[in-house]
Amino acid sequence: DAGVIQSPRHEVTEMGQEVTLRCKPISGHDYLFWYRQTMMRGLELLIYFNNNVPIDDSGMPEDRFSAKMPNASFSTLKIQPSEPRDSAVYFCASSNRNDGANVLTFGAGSRLTVL
Amino acid sequence: AQSVAQPEDQVNVAEGNPLTVKCTYSVSGNPYLFWYVQYPNRGLQFLLKYITGDNLVKGSYGFEAEFNKSQTSFHLKKPSALVSDSALYFCAVRDGGYSSASKIIFGSGTRLSIRP
Repeated sequence: DAGVIQSPRHEVTEMGQEVTLRCKPISGHDYLFWYRQTMMRGLELLIYFNNNVPIDDSGMPEDRFSAKMPNASFSTLKIQPSEPRDSAVYFCASSNRNDGANVLTFGAGSRLTVL
Repeated sequence: AQSVAQPEDQVNVAEGNPLTVKCTYSVSGNPYLFWYVQYPNRGLQFLLKYITGDNLVKGSYGFEAEFNKSQTSFHLKKPSALVSDSALYFCAVRDGGYSSASKIIFGSGTRLSIRP
């Protein structure tokens, strides 16, 4: 398995533009998590899915952020409109509850810069 | 609500010396505890976990961690540090008492620097 695949790896955009980040989890994993990492706030959980259903989105900053998981092999995190304070590294991670603990496998991250 | 704290932003250790990276947690049920490591420009990698059983758990790269229920701590340790251990380390917790919940919360991270 190629692991968790995220795209794009780097995105530079201007304030007000729409940003879409993509994630392909490990095949067979039933949980998918989106995290955001910044120097100021560390690693924040934004939302997680179980079997493609959003379970907890309490970490999503505001209505500008939305996440979907249309099938077991694909998820998107969308920011519309983007703002400079959204600049961060966004990580997707997946896990298999059957391992008993939900050990996460992370993607390499998408570094977003909003000018 | 669950939470996890890493009180040290940075830990500096000489190569060959033992290292400890501290972590304390708070959950309402039984804790599932994890350590992850992050190298520059990479995602986090799993090191070790505690679910139940022996309080001392062993993980990758010679790391181990000790679960202490009374002190609600899960400190990461290694008997002899290597320069290649230099990285950012994260402690994480999941509340295992709520069987259908899988929310995993991370600490703020501790930067470990090993000098030759």
